[in-house]
Amino acid sequence: QVQLQESGPGLVKPSETLSLTCTVSDGSMSGNYWSWIRQPPGKGLEYIGYMYFGGSTNYNAALKSRVTISIDATEKQFYLRLTSVTAADTAVYYCARLRFSYGPFDFWGQGTRVTVSS
Amino acid sequence: QSALTQPASVSGSPGQSITISCTGTSSDVASYNYVSWYQQHPGKAPKVMIFDVSQRPSGVSNRFSGSKSGNTASLTISGLQAEDEADYYCSSYTSTSTDIIFGGGTRLTVL
Repeated sequence: QVQLQESGPGLVKPSETLSLTCTVSDGSMSGNYWSWIRQPPGKGLEYIGYMYFGGSTNYNAALKSRVTISIDATEKQFYLRLTSVTAADTAVYYCARLRFSYGPFDFWGQGTRVTVSS
Repeated sequence: QSALTQPASVSGSPGQSITISCTGTSSDVASYNYVSWYQQHPGKAPKVMIFDVSQRPSGVSNRFSGSKSGNTASLTISGLQAEDEADYYCSSYTSTSTDIIFGGGTRLTVL
């Protein structure tokens, strides 16, 4: 049973870079897609993007210019980097395993709340 | 890329059946059998209930079923129980540059 845990700062200043880590336990990272999803307060889920273990990536077109997802398989971690943040990036950020490039998101972390504020 | 369209809310009484719709376009729901449904209780992470339109993951109750017709997918919950009260989200693969898109979510109230 794959388990995921997000970590990172809960407060980021406007215009700075949001960086989060997802640690994977009880499972291999190979052969899977590792993704990030976010949920603004009181709103729905928004797909951010994924990275395949083999290196390919896909990002939400609306965020593509600001997003980078990377993997460190030896550490069993993957990462989210979102630049030039604004208040609109305030959300609960989830990491999840995407079983195939077309879905489903079958294992999720518990989520980490990130607030963008000065 | 616009979100898939779901009703904001649905409700039903214990024991009844309800259906939540998820309407997309020819770029997503209509063209691919890669629709998933997620259940989210307040303060919790989403949980996959249906994938590939109608497949149930191991451990998910058979009261949950999925289907698709044209550009609309549907989640049906039969024999409603109090524990089913939650938000439900659909998602689909899309042929646009963004591989996956979510619906806006539906709040299910068990009366």
